[in-house]
Amino acid sequence: DVKVTQSSRYLVKRTGEKVFLECVQDMDHENMFWYRQDPGLGLRLIYFSYDVKMKEKGDIPEGYSVSREKKERFSLILESASTNQTSMYLCASSLWQGRGTAFFGQGTRLTVV
Amino acid sequence: DQQVKQNSPSLSVQEGRISILNCDYTNSMFDYFLWYKKYPAEGPTFLISISSIKDKNEDGRFTVFLNKSAKHLSLHIVPSQPGDSAVYFCAATTITGAGSYQLTFGKGTKLSVIP
Repeated sequence: DVKVTQSSRYLVKRTGEKVFLECVQDMDHENMFWYRQDPGLGLRLIYFSYDVKMKEKGDIPEGYSVSREKKERFSLILESASTNQTSMYLCASSLWQGRGTAFFGQGTRLTVV
Repeated sequence: DQQVKQNSPSLSVQEGRISILNCDYTNSMFDYFLWYKKYPAEGPTFLISISSIKDKNEDGRFTVFLNKSAKHLSLHIVPSQPGDSAVYFCAATTITGAGSYQLTFGKGTKLSVIP
């Protein structure tokens, strides 16, 4: 089975902190994605990566950055956390031509206070 | 501007009846459509997909219909079961400049199947 693992289920951080969300997949997938899920807004794409060191902005990249130094690991970075970044963060991975069949992690519930 | 729209936030259906979840899209460049299912406190899981060159795809109790001229797709669940109660997300893909693809989701519809 494909496994996408996010490092934390729950995180509480203070405003202004630098926050790292880590995601690891074990199926040698080329593509990795970071989404956030908010009530009434669905899943919105923050960033995605189709190869090591390659990244593309999604629909809401402001306030975030990403890092992909190894194929299996994709990190989301909140440079200076703000309360409006309180959300459920979901990581996903897929094959290069997986035609949207992405596998998701269990999610990280981040609260910024 | 929202490119994938699910206009019904919620839907309640009796067990054994048909559930129909609807989705509209605006981007004519979308070439593949998918449905994902999400339980609380879990990540979404892939359910069923359809290529833009087809109008129907069936997998057990789940059937997806695509009407390209209307830019509309629907997911039919027959018969509905209590375990189907979840949030269903419609999604669509476009090819990126790098030759990979981007996956865009709707806001989701919460389905409740009543025993």
